Amino acid sequence: DTAVSQTPKYLVTQMGNDKSIKCEQNLGHDTMYWYKQDSKKFLKIMFSYNNKELIINETVPNRFSPKSPDKAHLNLHINSLELGDSAVYFCASSPPGGNSPLHFGNGTRLTVT
Amino acid sequence: AQTVTQSQPEMSVQEAETVTLSCTYDTSESNYYLFWYKQPPSRQMILVIRQEAYKQQNATENRFSVNFQKAAKSFSLKISDSQLGDTAMYFCAFILIHNTDKLIFGTGTRLQVFP
Repeated sequence: DTAVSQTPKYLVTQMGNDKSIKCEQNLGHDTMYWYKQDSKKFLKIMFSYNNKELIINETVPNRFSPKSPDKAHLNLHINSLELGDSAVYFCASSPPGGNSPLHFGNGTRLTVT
Repeated sequence: AQTVTQSQPEMSVQEAETVTLSCTYDTSESNYYLFWYKQPPSRQMILVIRQEAYKQQNATENRFSVNFQKAAKSFSLKISDSQLGDTAMYFCAFILIHNTDKLIFGTGTRLQVFP
């Protein structure tokens, strides 16, 4: 029943490793997003995809590579993890039109040691 | 560039009382939407209320209401009859109508409701 689901919920890994976070939405939305929430709780958009096409890339390091195999999925792959990548990553989706709010997943807490 | 400012990092209120959280934003555009999201300790992001900029009437959702002052670019959230479950981070957010792929968040206000 979960509208936007992301896995895993928690991810602990060492510097230099490569990891992926998966996101799926069953709402039929065309647009999906990745947001990063830092330790001060600030939420910042990283990417948005519309129907599998990249729309926004907010100057995110190219170690971060989103992949959208279809419009219901937007995965985030991170190469060569750094300490500063530790954060909570939220996936979200929305239908067309900005007055419809974003539906968020429950977040993935990434800890890089 | 659009910005959203929440000047109160932390607020507290006693149960059953009323509290108002402030939000101001900056844009040269006239057509946009504004939202308040709640993030409880469970980490979920939950929509509380939304306001279309072209509507003069302030939005209301049960105990939650906004005071939208377009000229002042102010969008405050009033929580009436505060409940313990209202304890959370509250984020003000903004999106342009013609750029509906970028929701911009404020820095958040941590609200603690005391019994």
